[in-house]
Amino acid sequence: EPEVTQTPSHQVTQMGQEVILRCVPISNHLYFYWYRQILGQKVEFLVSFYNNEISEKSEIFDDQFSVERPDGSNFTLKIRSTKLEDSAMYFCASSGPVEKLFFGSGTQLSVL
Amino acid sequence: EDKVVQSPLSLVVHEGDTVTLNCSYEVTNFRSLLWYKQEKKAPTFLFMLTSSGIEKKSGRLSSILDKKELFSILNITATQTGDSAVYLCAVVGYGGSQGNLIFGKGTKLSVKP
Repeated sequence: EPEVTQTPSHQVTQMGQEVILRCVPISNHLYFYWYRQILGQKVEFLVSFYNNEISEKSEIFDDQFSVERPDGSNFTLKIRSTKLEDSAMYFCASSGPVEKLFFGSGTQLSVL
Repeated sequence: EDKVVQSPLSLVVHEGDTVTLNCSYEVTNFRSLLWYKQEKKAPTFLFMLTSSGIEKKSGRLSSILDKKELFSILNITATQTGDSAVYLCAVVGYGGSQGNLIFGKGTKLSVKP
């Protein structure tokens, strides 16, 4: 069964550093998303991406965040200057035209 | 403000028991409700419901949506230890873009042998 893959599975970084989280969505999907889950809290929407542009972003997705689809297969989330409160599990997801989202296994980001 | 409330927050049962997980919601212009199972990391899709009163079923799992009363239930019959997981409910409204899911906190189900 096709799946969304994310790398790395764990990322440790120092506060203020830039990180890039990578995702390979399911190949025939056209809608891509990033979500995050802070330990013990709800899964939260960050951003949706379609047709090479952001469709919607949440209040969490401020100027420190950006997304890119640099080629036909990868979808990345960049955090420019990480803060302690950015520590979370980041999930990439993709879907077809119906919002049955398929999630990747996540990247656990720890900001020290 | 759109919100999803799941109950109970946690539940411990024994193998063979039947469980019912609840999800109530408030969302502007409801579009769909989804159930996911989260074992270790990735939420895995279980059901998507858009129409009221229609039961979705997959093996021992089933779900039904009541759009009038704004809730959904997820039933698991003859539970097994492999059903232990956090079950997440999420809704989408027409106010948001495709894929802007609003999640509840989840119900943590533990199935004891």
